[in-house]
Amino acid sequence: DAGVIQSPRHEVTEMGQEVTLRCKPISGHNSLFWYRQTMMRGLELLIYFNNNVPIDDSGMPEDRFSAKMPNASFSTLKIQPSEPRDSAVYFCASSSTGTGQGPDTQYFGPGTRLTVL
Amino acid sequence: AQSVTQPDIHITVSEGASLELRCNYSYGATPYLFWYVQSPGQGLQLLLKYFSGDTLVQGIKGFEAEFKRSQSSFNLRKPSVHWSDAAEYFCAVGGGGSYIPTFGRGTSLIVHP
Repeated sequence: DAGVIQSPRHEVTEMGQEVTLRCKPISGHNSLFWYRQTMMRGLELLIYFNNNVPIDDSGMPEDRFSAKMPNASFSTLKIQPSEPRDSAVYFCASSSTGTGQGPDTQYFGPGTRLTVL
Repeated sequence: AQSVTQPDIHITVSEGASLELRCNYSYGATPYLFWYVQSPGQGLQLLLKYFSGDTLVQGIKGFEAEFKRSQSSFNLRKPSVHWSDAAEYFCAVGGGGSYIPTFGRGTSLIVHP
């Protein structure tokens, strides 16, 4: 398997522009997570999907952020309009929800490094 | 609510020396525990995990961790560190029907030659 695929790997944009980050999870995984990583705040969960349905979006910073998962093999994270404080590395991760009572191994993509000027 | 504390922001060791990275968690039931490693410019990769059974868990790259319920700890160890082990290490905890893990802030490992 190719692992979790994210695109683009790097994105440089100007303040006010729309940014769309893309993720293809591992085939067969039914859980998908979007994270943001910065030096100041560490690794933050933005949103969690299970079976393509958003389960927990409490980490989405504000209305400028939106995420979709139209099918099991694709998800997007959109920022509109973007601001310099959105500069960070954004990770997508996928996992299988088994029969246990807790999380299973998450498989992370390589991340998208976003710079908003 | 579950939480994870990694008390050491940075740790510096010499190549060949032993290593222990600390992880303390707060959780009411039996936790699901993980250690992940992040090399520069890459995503996180699982080193090992504990759900139940033997409290000493073996992972990849020669790492091991021990679950100590009485101390609410899940420390990561390696007997002899290699220069390629320099990376950021994250401890995570979850459970109780939630499939969302809580990550610690991470410990940056620096390896001197």
